[in-house]
Amino acid sequence: DSGVTQTPKHLITATGQRVTLRCSPRSGDLSVYWYQQSLDQGLQFLIQYYNGEERAKGNILERFSAQQFPDLHSELNLSSLELGDSALYFCASSEGGFNVLTFGAGSRLTVL
Amino acid sequence: SQQGEEDPQALSIQEGENATMNCSYKTSINNLQWYRQNSGRGLVHLILIRSNEREKHSGRLRVTLDTSKKSSSLLITASRAADTASYFCATPGRGSYKLIFGSGTRLLVRP
Repeated sequence: DSGVTQTPKHLITATGQRVTLRCSPRSGDLSVYWYQQSLDQGLQFLIQYYNGEERAKGNILERFSAQQFPDLHSELNLSSLELGDSALYFCASSEGGFNVLTFGAGSRLTVL
Repeated sequence: SQQGEEDPQALSIQEGENATMNCSYKTSINNLQWYRQNSGRGLVHLILIRSNEREKHSGRLRVTLDTSKKSSSLLITASRAADTASYFCATPGRGSYKLIFGSGTRLLVRP
């Protein structure tokens, strides 16, 4: 157990739907990162939050949004889902510094 | 876009042999990290090497960094079947607030 908790572990949904992925960072970590891992795109950086504020953005689609709450947990919202959104979504957290990340086990999203 | 590119994409070796993976990156960095991912699981941090370091060891792992060539290598000595995994290098993105991962090397260690 890495200390980073992601829910749900697996999610199957249909095109056009909306889902929310949840992440609780490791105790004491203020930064949360979201990554998407698909077979053809590798591990893609989506977005990073630090203590509730957005710090960095990657190639995150407009259909995707995220936020970090005062208790430091984070949610990634994916809407108008397409088949190509099927992937593993990872949350990671860090305490800062050189950005050594602790990853959660991931949420596997399947869009049918 | 990928900052780092690993080479080779896949590597198959016999247990007990050494495994070497290489990573090339594009921009100046202040540190480089290596992570391991067992199939379908979360990545695990292995080692961080700073730009003023040339070599670093951790157990059976040896990492080198050549900033003039913008490249790093990860050597796993005396490999074990449990080392079977994908290995990724990662470098800070612009502004250092994000960590960009390479495409990874898939290592298979045959018993």
